[in-house]
Amino acid sequence: GNSVTQMEGPVTLSEEAFLTINCTYTATGYPSLFWYVQYPGEGLQLLLKATKADDKGSNKGFEATYRKETTSFHLEKGSVQVSDSAVYFCALSEAAGNKLTFGGGTRVLVKP
Amino acid sequence: GAVVSQHPSRVICKSGTSVKIECRSLDFQATTMFWYRQFPKQSLMLMATSNEGSKATYEQGVEKDKFLINHASLTLSTLTVTSAHPEDSSFYICSAMAGDGDTQYFGPGTRLTVL
Repeated sequence: GNSVTQMEGPVTLSEEAFLTINCTYTATGYPSLFWYVQYPGEGLQLLLKATKADDKGSNKGFEATYRKETTSFHLEKGSVQVSDSAVYFCALSEAAGNKLTFGGGTRVLVKP
Repeated sequence: GAVVSQHPSRVICKSGTSVKIECRSLDFQATTMFWYRQFPKQSLMLMATSNEGSKATYEQGVEKDKFLINHASLTLSTLTVTSAHPEDSSFYICSAMAGDGDTQYFGPGTRLTVL
């Protein structure tokens, strides 16, 4: 079956530091890949996505590149802010209209 | 665009009562909606897939008679927790599938507390 593995948190950073959250996946086909962010007490917001190999998703300074050869979709941001403190979820969808498989989530805390 | 709302955002109820949670896609039509449950500091667990005009598909281990799902229109799905007990206390989140058939947009969640 499909699975998503992401680094465990919490990840604690200082403001303006570089953030990387590793995500690797297992899938039988060619999934679409997603990063979602969850702020305290809220639902999930789509951060970015990529639908095929070598695609780069980007939004709000965050980037992730779909690497088929390493089955990875690592999330990066060059300079984090306190407002980036949240839980980040990596997910995949095997086919259009199909359900999402989530990673365990990575809590990020950015200190001023 | 692609906004999903949930109502209520918080609900506290007594053990044995039923609670209905609404999920609406505000600016798009969604033939497919999903219901998730999230425990504190954990990932989302898919409970069921809701398709407009047909019966929901439940994940293994989810009691369909306890968690009733109705998807009566292209913009509304409801989850009813019947005869709620304290162990049903959780954060329930819905999502709606966008027109591209590839992206799910999530509601803000409903925190249910059963006393």
